[in-house]
Amino acid sequence: AQKVTQAQTEISVVEKEDVTLDCVYETRDTTYYLFWYKQPPSGELVFLIRRNSFDEQNEISGRYSWNFQKSTSSFNFTITASQVVDSAVYFCALSDPTSGTYKYIFGTGTRLKVLA
Amino acid sequence: ETGVTQTPRHLVMGMTNKKSLKCEQHLGHNAMYWYKQSAKKPLELMFVYSLEERVENNSVPSRFSPECPNSSHLFLHLHTLQPEDSALYLCASSQEEDTQYFGPGTRLTVL
Repeated sequence: AQKVTQAQTEISVVEKEDVTLDCVYETRDTTYYLFWYKQPPSGELVFLIRRNSFDEQNEISGRYSWNFQKSTSSFNFTITASQVVDSAVYFCALSDPTSGTYKYIFGTGTRLKVLA
Repeated sequence: ETGVTQTPRHLVMGMTNKKSLKCEQHLGHNAMYWYKQSAKKPLELMFVYSLEERVENNSVPSRFSPECPNSSHLFLHLHTLQPEDSALYLCASSQEEDTQYFGPGTRLTVL
């Protein structure tokens, strides 16, 4: 069975601190996608990144970086020099693009509070 | 980002009312989704349409009725809802099983 675990329910940091959000997944598939979405208070889920299971390269986009490690089934997300605007709920998700089900398995989310 | 729009953004309805939620995507995608997000619960996939045909229906009560007249529009018709149906309803679209892009959601309150 597929599963995504975000063990951190809520994290609070002070502005300019670095913060890492953890995501651990379970799947028996060899082909899968991993995602991170941001949900600000307005409610919309904003797509941040998709990673293919065959691509373990880490990625950096501005203050955001992602560390994908198949050996530990983890896909962690780090925000460097956090800002108040980063306050949101962050969801990690897993999908099998070959399944024909169109399903995403979402984690329960991590609420990040960045304090000024 | 206005790739996926949803109307209304907020809706309050009584249990005997009939209302509809509307979703429109401007991304040229061929799949559309309805999700329900309740407080302190994971996102729940309700319905999936691919090429205007329903491909997934996750045991959703019949008081929720989806409609997909074309690949750009998706509706969720609501009737005789219960207070526990109060939630944020999110629409999403994708090209095949590629990345899903979400709309801003409709926050529904059932009195």
